[in-house]
Amino acid sequence: QQQVKQSPQSLIVQKGGISIINCAYENTAFDYFPWYQQFPGKGPALLIAIRPDVSEKKEGRFTISFNKSAKQFSLHIMDSQPGDSATYFCAATMNRDDKIIFGKGTRLHILP
Amino acid sequence: DAGITQSPRHKVTETGTPVTLRCHQTENHRYMYWYRQDPGHGLRLIHYSYGVKDTDKGEVSDGYSVSRSKTEDFLLTLESATSSQTSVYFCAISGQGDNGYTFGSGTRLTVV
Repeated sequence: QQQVKQSPQSLIVQKGGISIINCAYENTAFDYFPWYQQFPGKGPALLIAIRPDVSEKKEGRFTISFNKSAKQFSLHIMDSQPGDSATYFCAATMNRDDKIIFGKGTRLHILP
Repeated sequence: DAGITQSPRHKVTETGTPVTLRCHQTENHRYMYWYRQDPGHGLRLIHYSYGVKDTDKGEVSDGYSVSRSKTEDFLLTLESATSSQTSVYFCAISGQGDNGYTFGSGTRLTVV
């Protein structure tokens, strides 16, 4: 019940295309869903986050879609660029200051 | 990353030796976390702290101990290092607001 399942493990997208990463959870007590971006040799960094009372949140080219009834959420990267090539982690927590449960990550590669 | 530093950045040690990794923050945040990152497993929580001398176990705590005697420092100790503890270790801090975690740059530990 504490798991966050993330797919795909790896993803290759052409420059300018849409990258989509999906996550699912079981615990309905989760109330904060952040996404982290990690470049090689660096620590993960918060990219965008959403709460379950909102179905969509957009920040620039990055959009989180949230389906509370299905217990699923996804990250869409519009107009994907080679600089977006990184590992992306979805995550969930029951309290914003509580420990975060991470998905296993998606390695995204954008072809130039 | 600004406000959080990990040391050392790299370490090679022999099986059976004790190892201590240090996380230092200048943000005065109450919450601190240790994660390990391994291919195919994503980020897994080892231990976390909600304040000075207030620590708890995460999902992969066996073989690890922590200490937090000051707000700014969170130490992770491998009592007797094993090859299975070869990994990249990340420290994270959590503050107020919807800013999520701030991660350090990581420590790459190799146990030979």
